[in-house]
Amino acid sequence: DTAVSQTPKYLVTQMGNDKSIKCEQNLGHDTMYWYKQDSKKFLKIMFSYNNKELIINETVPNRFSPKSPDKAHLNLHINSLELGDSAVYFCASSQDLGGSTEQFFGPGTRLTVL
Amino acid sequence: GIQVEQSPPDLILQEGANSTLRCNFSDSVNNLQWFHQNPWGQLINLFYIPSGTKQNGRLSATTVATERYSLLYISSSQTTDSGVYFCAVGGHLYSGGGADGLTFGKGTHLIIQP
Repeated sequence: DTAVSQTPKYLVTQMGNDKSIKCEQNLGHDTMYWYKQDSKKFLKIMFSYNNKELIINETVPNRFSPKSPDKAHLNLHINSLELGDSAVYFCASSQDLGGSTEQFFGPGTRLTVL
Repeated sequence: GIQVEQSPPDLILQEGANSTLRCNFSDSVNNLQWFHQNPWGQLINLFYIPSGTKQNGRLSATTVATERYSLLYISSSQTTDSGVYFCAVGGHLYSGGGADGLTFGKGTHLIIQP
C-alpha cells in the first residue's frame, strides 16, 4: 500500500564509491523528484523528471544523475561519493510537472559517507 | 528565487495547548503544502492548500494567497505532534534553481511536553 517507497533506508559507504538509491511510486503519477535534506534539516530540490523532460537544479554536481527505467521508478545514482554528500535523500511524486500539484514523499534514505 | 519564511523557528508547549505556525512567501504560487516530519524522519502530508481553509481533526490551515501567507493551527496538542513542521510552495514563476519542485521553508521545530 506504500505510495512512494525507497530502498535502502540506510546507506553507509566510503568516500569515492559509487552508489544508487531506488524509488518507486504506485500512485500513477507522471512526475518524480529527488530532494536532499542536509544536517540542518533544510530540504532542497535536486531534480524534477517526467517522461518529457529532466530539470536539474543548477547547484547539483554532475556526479548525481537520475535514471528512470519507467514512469513508476526514478533511481538516483551518485558517483565518487564525497563527505558532503552525507544527507537524507527523499524521493517524491506528483501528477504534473511544474510544482502546482500535490507532492507525496517517500520515507527517505539516510546516506552516510565515511 | 522565491523566499519561504516560517515562524517561530522553535516552539515548546505543554500537552493540551494550542498553537499557530506561520508561513510567509515572497511571490505568487499555485501550490502550498504543509508537512510534518516526525521524529523518525518521515515527511507526512498535512495539507495541500494553495488558498482557502481546510480542517483535518485537530489541525487546520488557512492560506491567504493575495497576502502571501499561510497559517497552520494545532489544537489540543499531543506529544505525538512533536517534530518539525514544514511549509513548502510550488508552481511559481521563479522556482529555486529552476528544478520546478517545491521550495521549503526552514521549518518550525515543535516540542510537546507531557
